Amino acid sequence: GEDVEQSLFLSVREGDSSVINCTYTDSSSTYLYWYKQEPGAGLQLLTYIFSNMDMKQDQRLTVLLNKKDKHLSLRIADTQTGDSAIYFCAERAHSSASKIIFGSGTRLSIRP
Amino acid sequence: NAGVTQTPKFQVLKTGQSMTLQCAQDMNHNSMYWYRQDPGMGLRLIYYSASEGTTDKGEVPNGYNVSRLNKREFSLRLESAAPSQTSVYFCASSEGREGGGNTGELFFGEGSRLTVL
Repeated sequence: GEDVEQSLFLSVREGDSSVINCTYTDSSSTYLYWYKQEPGAGLQLLTYIFSNMDMKQDQRLTVLLNKKDKHLSLRIADTQTGDSAIYFCAERAHSSASKIIFGSGTRLSIRP
Repeated sequence: NAGVTQTPKFQVLKTGQSMTLQCAQDMNHNSMYWYRQDPGMGLRLIYYSASEGTTDKGEVPNGYNVSRLNKREFSLRLESAAPSQTSVYFCASSEGREGGGNTGELFFGEGSRLTVL
């Protein structure tokens, strides 16, 4: 079955880059996603990458996809206090295009 | 637009009681989902409905039932609540169809916090 794994916590200094990592099991996934959850709120899509891409850049965000190792990463450049949140990696299951499986989430905290 | 609306936002139940979480979306989306969020466990898919008239089990369906009442509404029912069902429940919707530039983005409600004593 599908499974997505990520580390639970990451702490970075303000202004540094944050790198959040994720591994997934479904090699046939078509889309992989990064969602952000701020305290007391639902999740919102941050960015996504299609499975035929290796990298996607969107302002301060860089997504890297290594299909061979089934590894996805999210890099946030110049991390700000407003980036404090839980970041979820997710994949669209090949078995059903409507089925989206999430990882455990990585809580990013920013220290001054 | 309201997006995805869940009710109630908070609920306390006693073990064995039943309740239904309601969810409605106004984006004309085909697919709807129920997830639960627990500390350290992330979001786990309970049930989903790829389109009106269909429902499928997710990762953790035991103890729950769902109804896709129409295209807009997707309810989650706990027939006999247990303390292990204490969680934050999220409803989400998406366009759901492949192709046409559809990325499968999920739109989430604000969550329903359920406590079972």
